[in-house]
Amino acid sequence: NAGVTQTPKFQVLKTGQSMTLQCAQDMNHEYMSWYRQDPGMGLRLIHYSVGAGITDQGEVPNGYNVSRSTTEDFPLRLLSAAPSQTSVYFCATGTRGTYEQYFGPGTRLTVT
Amino acid sequence: LAKTTQPISMDSYEGQEVNITCSHNNIATNDYITWYQQFPSQGPRFIIQGYKTKVTNEVASLFIPADRKSSTLSLPRVSLSDTAVYYCLVGMDTGRRALTFGSGTRLQVQP
Repeated sequence: NAGVTQTPKFQVLKTGQSMTLQCAQDMNHEYMSWYRQDPGMGLRLIHYSVGAGITDQGEVPNGYNVSRSTTEDFPLRLLSAAPSQTSVYFCATGTRGTYEQYFGPGTRLTVT
Repeated sequence: LAKTTQPISMDSYEGQEVNITCSHNNIATNDYITWYQQFPSQGPRFIIQGYKTKVTNEVASLFIPADRKSSTLSLPRVSLSDTAVYYCLVGMDTGRRALTFGSGTRLQVQP
């Protein structure tokens, strides 16, 4: 099992460009989430999903869109990249009945 | 989710026991206490979870007093590889819950 995979590992964007960060899981978990982590800081929740077709906003949703058409995939779209979105992005999965979540390796995004 | 307070950083030496305390005065009756570990350039990793008293696994122990307003993560005989950031989280699996991470405790283990 691959667990939680994220692509790409690194990405550089220019201000105003758009892109999609991919997250996939093979654990059949209902919950999937996107977090961002700025240097020296804790993680902040962007969006999350409790199942296919259901998404909700987290703490810092502005500038990001998500959709969940399948259990396995939860892509994060940056609509118009800004330097303030330079960060490391982590995808995580979890399952009902436990507070344990499994994190992917992260995508390091730089916006110039 | 209940707010948590942890020390910003701690230093230790190899072979020592490390105790990291987390305060959560507003913990709700149904809330669980969960600890995560994060190494540089990696995503957080679940360490341990508990509700009351003491929980132990192969990695750590979690001590929770009767009033549950604080908890202590205990790492026995730390090694250099335990150098990481440790996050304390409090909440419950409500079906629509999400994790709220604070700034965590940066543990530096010296040789």
